[in-house]
Amino acid sequence: QKEVEQNSGPLSVPEGAIASLNCTYSDRGSQSFFWYRQYSGKSPELIMFIYSNGDKEDGRFTAQLNKASQYVSLLIRDSQPSDSATYLCAVTGTSGTYKYIFGTGTRLKVLA
Amino acid sequence: DVKVTQSSRYLVKRTGEKVFLECVQDMDHENMFWYRQDPGLGLRLIYFSYDVKMKEKGDIPEGYSVSREKKERFSLILESASTNQTSMYLCASYRQANTEAFFGQGTRLTVV
Repeated sequence: QKEVEQNSGPLSVPEGAIASLNCTYSDRGSQSFFWYRQYSGKSPELIMFIYSNGDKEDGRFTAQLNKASQYVSLLIRDSQPSDSATYLCAVTGTSGTYKYIFGTGTRLKVLA
Repeated sequence: DVKVTQSSRYLVKRTGEKVFLECVQDMDHENMFWYRQDPGLGLRLIYFSYDVKMKEKGDIPEGYSVSREKKERFSLILESASTNQTSMYLCASYRQANTEAFFGQGTRLTVV
């Protein structure tokens, strides 16, 4: 079982719709959860981080964390074509180490 | 403005060559790591360093070594380059566990 799992996609949504990206992780000791966006040919950049159960909102983005279910999600409201990218879920604080564990990413396509 | 700089954006090397990839960060971060990124496989950790002269193997260390003689610099070495090491290599750094990782621009290495 992979430590961080994401559906590879592509996930296609029409412009203006809500895009929902999901991620599950295997280690209950995980402490911090991150969403990175990566445009084709570019490096990942941080969009959101979340440490506590519940929702965290920042503009059009909402991160949701459910530690009991070992599940973290990213919602993008009013999706724009410029949101088309690969979204990487990352987990840290796993088993007392300092390592980031990345999922393989979900490719999002927002259709104009 | 935080910065992680990789020495080359594109590299072409011959099979059997010794290859050096350099990464420098100006944020005084303790933690640095090297990933390779391949289509469908996501980011895979090669090596990780949490302090000067300290290193830890990641998931795919075979064929690679690293050096961290100064806090700001983390070098990845391909001892004898092979065609299966053709990939995008990403360096990143962060201050402590559970904080944002900052990525370099990536080095696309082609081994012929």
